[in-house]
Amino acid sequence: KAGVTQTPRYLIKTRGQQVTLSCSPISGHRSVSWYQQTPGQGLQFLFEYFSETQRNKGNFPGRFSGRQFSNSRSEMNVSTLELGDSALYLCASRSLPDSPLHFGNGTRLTVT
Amino acid sequence: TQLLEQSPQFLSIQEGENLTVYCNSSSVFSSLQWYRQEPGEGPVLLVTVVTGGEVKKLKRLTFQFGDARKDSSLHITAAQPGDTGLYLCAGGGGANNLFFGTGTRLTVIP
Repeated sequence: KAGVTQTPRYLIKTRGQQVTLSCSPISGHRSVSWYQQTPGQGLQFLFEYFSETQRNKGNFPGRFSGRQFSNSRSEMNVSTLELGDSALYLCASRSLPDSPLHFGNGTRLTVT
Repeated sequence: TQLLEQSPQFLSIQEGENLTVYCNSSSVFSSLQWYRQEPGEGPVLLVTVVTGGEVKKLKRLTFQFGDARKDSSLHITAAQPGDTGLYLCAGGGGANNLFFGTGTRLTVIP
């Protein structure tokens, strides 16, 4: 069974630009969560989608948004990038809201 | 916000030594999970502890959930270089999002 796939693996953007990250969950998993990981703040929850609906949202500004498609694939968008958005963005999927999380290998975003 | 503090933040030991890392919170959790993350990869779930006082063993790793379900520990016996990584505890979950701890970065020197 293929794991969680995130694309791209690396991304370099300039301040003020926007970026879209993609996540393909494990086949059959309907829940996708996004996390931001930085050395200073650790892993912080962004949002979770289940069956195309946002179930939970973390404490991030509105510049961070996401969506989930009917095939459970998910995208995360960050607009008006700031230097502080440089981080490893991790996607995780699970079959049900209370099942264990399976993480992808992340997208490393660098904002210059 | 439910905070999970892990200690120590960094740990460097020789192969064959034993070690314990801690995960503490002022909040009660219905369950706690432990993950290991290796460079360039996402976290991988090691174990979930649910019952206060529960002890789970995974080969050389022993996990314990505090009686009050506010803290947990991970003990590694005879550490090996393959144990090197970032160890993360996480609480909450279920139908809610997980709160991750600050992490312990372990280096096992051959």
